Amino acid sequence: DAGVTQTPRHEVAEKGQTIILKCEPVSGHNDLFWYRQTKIQGLELLSYFRSKSLMEDGGAFKDRFKAEMLNSSFSTLKIQPTEPKDSAVYLCASSWDRGWEQYFGPGTRLTVL
Amino acid sequence: GDSVTQTEGLVTLTEGLPVMLNCTYQTAYSTFLFWYVQHLNEAPKLLLKSSTDNKRTEHQGFHATLHKSSSSFHLQKSSAQLSDSALYYCALSDQPGYQNFYFGKGTSLTVIP
Repeated sequence: DAGVTQTPRHEVAEKGQTIILKCEPVSGHNDLFWYRQTKIQGLELLSYFRSKSLMEDGGAFKDRFKAEMLNSSFSTLKIQPTEPKDSAVYLCASSWDRGWEQYFGPGTRLTVL
Repeated sequence: GDSVTQTEGLVTLTEGLPVMLNCTYQTAYSTFLFWYVQHLNEAPKLLLKSSTDNKRTEHQGFHATLHKSSSSFHLQKSSAQLSDSALYYCALSDQPGYQNFYFGKGTSLTVIP
């Protein structure tokens, strides 16, 4: 079975740009998560979808971060406009159910100049 | 509210010494506890999980026992190896199907010769 895939693996953006990160979950999984990972904060939940419905939209991230799940096999995370403090690794994960094991993608390393 | 507290920051060990990374949690519900491991430039992946009180769970030389009386799920290994150098996350789910899933802030383990 294919795991979670994320593209691109690396992204460099200028401050103020719009960037879109992509994720394909494991086939058959119902839940999809977007996380931001930094050394200081660890894993921060950005968004959580269950069966394509948005269940959680991380409070502090609402204004410039928007995740969408267009179908059960594809999700995007848009950051608009980007700021240097957004530089981090963005991880996508999927699971059968929120209480079960989450399978993580390789992540997108975003650098905002 | 629900939360996970783990040994924070950096832990440096000499090869061959025992490993113990602490994890305690707080929840009012039935619990599933997880340890995830993330090696450098890789995605986090599940190392251990448990929901059974006082039962030892083992995988890849690591073990942990969920103790509900003390709300703990410490990760242990008898002898550290260089390849154990990684970032370790403890995570809590209230129960399968429930919406609550929490990651601790992560512990970076470095094993030196």
